[in-house]
Amino acid sequence: EPEVTQTPSHQVTQMGQEVILRCVPISNHLYFYWYRQILGQKVEFLVSFYNNEISEKSEIFDDQFSVERPDGSNFTLKIRSTKLEDSAMYFCASSDLASGRSLKTGELFFGEGSRLTVL
Amino acid sequence: ELKVEQNPLFLSMQEGKNYTIYCNYSTTSDRLYWYRQDPGKSLESLFVLLSNGAVKQEGRLMASLDTKARLSTLHITAAVHDLSATYFCAGGPPMRDKIIFGKGTRLHILP
Repeated sequence: EPEVTQTPSHQVTQMGQEVILRCVPISNHLYFYWYRQILGQKVEFLVSFYNNEISEKSEIFDDQFSVERPDGSNFTLKIRSTKLEDSAMYFCASSDLASGRSLKTGELFFGEGSRLTVL
Repeated sequence: ELKVEQNPLFLSMQEGKNYTIYCNYSTTSDRLYWYRQDPGKSLESLFVLLSNGAVKQEGRLMASLDTKARLSTLHITAAVHDLSATYFCAGGPPMRDKIIFGKGTRLHILP
């Protein structure tokens, strides 16, 4: 069964360092997302991406964050200068909202997550 | 902006009992989802509800949607320990890509 894969599973970094989290969405999906979850709490929307551009972003997704789909398969989240409060689990998700396969359910399929620890 | 509220946030129940988790949302949502999360794990899709009156069942879980009341429910029948997890509902604002999650209901089923 197709799945969303994320790397690394865990990254420890020093405050102020740049971090790149990588995701390979399900191959025929067209919408891609990053969410984050702090300590098993609420799942917070960061950004959605469609047709090679950001379609929506939240207030959390400030200038320190960026996303890219560099090669047609990977979808990356970059945090330029990490802060302590960026420590969280980051989930990538993809959706078949526009794939025409499933009556536009918009169901998100999540990866296993990348745990980011900022020291 | 769509807000999604779940209650209760914590639920401890005995095996064999029935219970319902409620999910209210603040504005129109053209789709409603239920997800399950085990500790330290990813989010697993349980149900997608797209229309008023939609009801879906999988095993001991049944989800329903009332768009007029802006309410979805997740009903647990004859709970078993394996259903212990955190359950999230999430709504999708019309014509928007993002999905907004509730705070989750942490369900603990006692043997």
